[in-house]
Amino acid sequence: DADVTQTPRNRITKTGKRIMLECSQTKGHDRMYWYRQDPGLGLRLIYYSFDVKDINKGEISDGYSVSRQAQAKFSLSLESAIPNQTALYFCATSGRLSGPSSYNEQFFGPGTRLTVL
Amino acid sequence: KQEVTQIPAALSVPEGENLVLNCSFTDSAIYNLQWFRQDPGKGLTSLLLIQSSQREQTSGRLNASLDKSSGRSTLYIAASQPGDSATYLCAVRGADGLTFGKGTHLIIQP
Repeated sequence: DADVTQTPRNRITKTGKRIMLECSQTKGHDRMYWYRQDPGLGLRLIYYSFDVKDINKGEISDGYSVSRQAQAKFSLSLESAIPNQTALYFCATSGRLSGPSSYNEQFFGPGTRLTVL
Repeated sequence: KQEVTQIPAALSVPEGENLVLNCSFTDSAIYNLQWFRQDPGKGLTSLLLIQSSQREQTSGRLNASLDKSSGRSTLYIAASQPGDSATYLCAVRGADGLTFGKGTHLIIQP
């Protein structure tokens, strides 16, 4: 079955280190997203990309950057990790439908648990 | 800014009962609403997607309704089973993207 995969699944790092989280998908979707999930705060959007040359900031983009290397790959970087970036990170994808209503279902990866000490 | 609220935050019921989870949103200008299930430490599994022009969607024992004008959606689970135990998340898609509620933590007692 088509899939959204994330690597690594778990990562412990120290304050100030550069970290990259990777996402790849075999669904053939053009849209990809990065979210973080924190207890009591729910999921919040960090960045999203509607195509290879399209990158958009989400609700909480400060301290993060992204790269859309190919349609199937979308990576999230923490340039200098800090403890309050400890969270569960999810990648998601969706496909563009034809017609005026082009928003459809999002599919999520298994998540990356990041701990910044 | 869109806000999504899910009530109750937690629910524990005996196996076999029918139950309803509630989701409300403040801005009715949405494109669609999606219900997800999340197991502890795991990713989100999409359960049902309702487009803004639709009133309900059904999948097996699950039925989701949408009343866009009043900013409400319900997820009905029939004949609950212990395997239904999980956190259920509601998310609405608007011009600002997908906004999530904080979820309802559901426990089905055997």
